[in-house]
Amino acid sequence: AQKVTQAQTEISVVEKEDVTLDCVYETRDTTYYLFWYKQPPSGELVFLIRRNSFDEQNEISGRYSWNFQKSTSSFNFTITASQVVDSAVYFCALSADSWGKLQFGAGTQVVVTP
Amino acid sequence: EAGVVQSPRYKIIEKKQPVAFWCNPISGHNTLYWYLQNLGQGPELLIRYENEEAVDDSQLPKDRFSAERLKGVDSTLKIQPAELGDSAVYLCASSLRGQGWNEQFFGPGTRLTVL
Repeated sequence: AQKVTQAQTEISVVEKEDVTLDCVYETRDTTYYLFWYKQPPSGELVFLIRRNSFDEQNEISGRYSWNFQKSTSSFNFTITASQVVDSAVYFCALSADSWGKLQFGAGTQVVVTP
Repeated sequence: EAGVVQSPRYKIIEKKQPVAFWCNPISGHNTLYWYLQNLGQGPELLIRYENEEAVDDSQLPKDRFSAERLKGVDSTLKIQPAELGDSAVYLCASSLRGQGWNEQFFGPGTRLTVL
């Protein structure tokens, strides 16, 4: 069975601090894909990043970076120099070609205060 | 490019009443998804369409929920009769194809309150 665990329910930071969101996943598929989505108060889920199971290279995209480690089944996400507009719920999700749907974690609420 | 459109944004009904949600996916997207999101949880898939065919409806409570995607474009999700436990946000999403690597684009959702 596929499972995504986001152990952090809520993280509060002051603007300009970095924030790291943890994600641990379980799957038996050898080919799978990991995503991070952002859900602001408006409710619409917004795609942020995607990584496939064969590419463990960590990258930085603007203020976002991610750390994918297959050995620990983790896909952590970092926002550098947080801003108030980053306040939202962030979801980690898992997908695979064999079942073509997104399995979401419970989400982590990020609160950035000025 | 227009995003995924959903209507209504909010709906309040009494239990045992019927309700319907409508979704128009991004033009050209063959795959359409309906998700249920309870408060404080991540979305859960209800049904997935490839064009007009429902290819995964294993999570859809078929005794009261139904869905259709005529002509493989827009879709309607219906609940009849609604129960108190159906209060949630119903999200529609679309993607070019149904393979796992395709990013899904989400609509704003319909927030249903059953009294």
